[in-house]
Amino acid sequence: NAGVMQNPRHLVRRRGQEARLRCSPMKGHSHVYWYRQLPEEGLKFMVYLQKENIIDESGMPKERFSAEFPKEGPSILRIQQVVRGDSAAYFCASSPGLNNEQFFGPGTRLTVL
Amino acid sequence: DQQVKQNSPSLSVQEGRISILNCDYTNSMFDYFLWYKKYPAEGPTFLISISSIKDKNEDGRFTVFLNKSAKHLSLHIVPSQPGDSAVYFCAASVAGGFKTIFGAGTRLFVKA
Repeated sequence: NAGVMQNPRHLVRRRGQEARLRCSPMKGHSHVYWYRQLPEEGLKFMVYLQKENIIDESGMPKERFSAEFPKEGPSILRIQQVVRGDSAAYFCASSPGLNNEQFFGPGTRLTVL
Repeated sequence: DQQVKQNSPSLSVQEGRISILNCDYTNSMFDYFLWYKKYPAEGPTFLISISSIKDKNEDGRFTVFLNKSAKHLSLHIVPSQPGDSAVYFCAASVAGGFKTIFGAGTRLFVKA
């Protein structure tokens, strides 16, 4: 049973470009969470999704950021018109349901030049 | 507004001794608490959890203690091993809620 998979592991973008981060949850997990970790800081919740539905996006910046979890395929975190402040590690986690521990992927390290 | 606080950014312990990592929270609605461990360039991995109906949960070398009145929990690792050197995150959530709130982490160094 493969763990949570994220790709790419490292992503470099220039200011103004788009970044697409992908997350495949563990088999059987229908709950996906995205977190951002800035240097020397903890994990900040961004968004929680179930298949085809955004349940809670209260941690997501209102502009330029969007997330989806389609019926088929991985969850996508999309950042449009990236700025240097978007440089961070983005972690995806999945769980089989609420109130279960979350299983994390290895993260995508985004660097904006 | 930091609802989950880990006030010690780092901790250094001798191998074989006890490591105690502390965590405080402000939201009295939290009723489920977790500890995650993170190595560099990897995602966090779940370590141990505790529900608010308990005040202690033990799993091998790891024990989590919860003091609800003080809104405080701690993770004890005994005996500490060099492989325990990592960043430890405390996290809290509300039953039926969607968000898990993480602390800033404590970096543990276990010296051989």
